Amino acid sequence: AQKVTQAQTEISVVEKEDVTLDCVYETRDTTYYLFWYKQPPSGELVFLIRRNSFDEQNEISGRYSWNFQKSTSSFNFTITASQVVDSAVYFCALRTSPNFGNEKLTFGTGTRLTIIP
Amino acid sequence: DGGITQSPKYLFRKEGQNVTLSCEQNLNHDAMYWYRQDPGQGLRLIYYSQIVNDFQKGDIAEGYSVSREKKESFPLTVTSAQKNPTAFYLCASSIRRTGNEKLFFGSGTQLSVL
Repeated sequence: AQKVTQAQTEISVVEKEDVTLDCVYETRDTTYYLFWYKQPPSGELVFLIRRNSFDEQNEISGRYSWNFQKSTSSFNFTITASQVVDSAVYFCALRTSPNFGNEKLTFGTGTRLTIIP
Repeated sequence: DGGITQSPKYLFRKEGQNVTLSCEQNLNHDAMYWYRQDPGQGLRLIYYSQIVNDFQKGDIAEGYSVSREKKESFPLTVTSAQKNPTAFYLCASSIRRTGNEKLFFGSGTQLSVL
């Protein structure tokens, strides 16, 4: 079975502070993909990043950075110098492929991030 | 602009009534999905379709039905057999279902029971 745990249900920080959203995953597959999606108040989920299990390089995109550590089964997301527009629910997701055509995408329960002006 | 359109944004269902949620995409994607989102829970897969005239049950298909007569359309019917239909419903698509393709989502439909 596979599982994604986002232990932080809600986080509030003051604007310009840095904030890290945690994501811990479980899978027995050696090949898998990890994703982060953002759900703003408008409702639609927006893709942020995709990472495969063979690439542990950290990634930075502007104020966003991701730390993938297979040793701890974590894929944490950090926002630097947070802004009010970052307020949203963030979902971590795990996609595995135990066999062709049987891919499974599992979402975490999400972290609601509120940036206080 | 390409994207996914869901309608209506809000929908109310009476007891014993079937209701249909619309999902249209102009991204030319083969795969389409329906997810259910409940407060404090992750997204759960209801149905998915990899190609026209084909669809498969997801994790929570009971009480729901779908059709895929056209590539761009994947409507979801919430039947009277679904005893707890109040939720936020999200439609998504991807180029194809296999591999690591990212999902594109619509803006959702909030379904409530009267």
